[in-house]
Amino acid sequence: GAVVSQHPSRVICKSGTSVKIECRSLDFQATTMFWYRQFPKQSLMLMATSNEGSKATYEQGVEKDKFLINHASLTLSTLTVTSAHPEDSSFYICSARATDRGWDEQYFGPGTRLTVT
Amino acid sequence: AQSVTQLGSHVSVSEGALVLLRCNYSSSVPPYLFWYVQYPNQGLQLLLKYTSAATLVKGINGFEAEFKKSETSFHLTKPSAHMSDAAEYFCALSASGGSYIPTFGRGTSLIVHP
Repeated sequence: GAVVSQHPSRVICKSGTSVKIECRSLDFQATTMFWYRQFPKQSLMLMATSNEGSKATYEQGVEKDKFLINHASLTLSTLTVTSAHPEDSSFYICSARATDRGWDEQYFGPGTRLTVT
Repeated sequence: AQSVTQLGSHVSVSEGALVLLRCNYSSSVPPYLFWYVQYPNQGLQLLLKYTSAATLVKGINGFEAEFKKSETSFHLTKPSAHMSDAAEYFCALSASGGSYIPTFGRGTSLIVHP
């Protein structure tokens, strides 16, 4: 099956610093990746759609200057939380859309728990 | 516009009992429907999906769901609950032939008692 990895799985950072989260599709090419945010006991909130080689499309209300997304290759997208604050603490999940195997399906990474102190 | 409603934020069953998690949807175009499971501090795993083929869809771990257009429902069932089924379950919808981006329901927490 298709595997998506995220790194790191957990990160603690101080307020005001920046944190980068990586999302990789390990055995397939993903022209499109998605970044979600999940608060405790709540559903996934789509933050942005990341397209390889072009600018990400952000959902309404998501600050593009705060959540920088780069999709530099067909297997890697990164989310950088800049000048992090405690309210940015959350569970961030990426997913990758597999279209190069004759099917169209979305595969999720294991998530990254960000804690800002 | 499209939306997904999961009835009941928590469902509690005894081990061996029937599991029924409810999902209703609203979509102006024929939908694709999904059920995902999430274990604590993990990402989502696809249980099953409906993409306009058979209305009764069988998934992994003994789960199945039936697409009922007249009721705009896609309820998830399992005949006999196991302790390992305790997790968060999300119903999701995407529009066939259009934007692939899915809309998720709020999730239902399944609690299994011994």
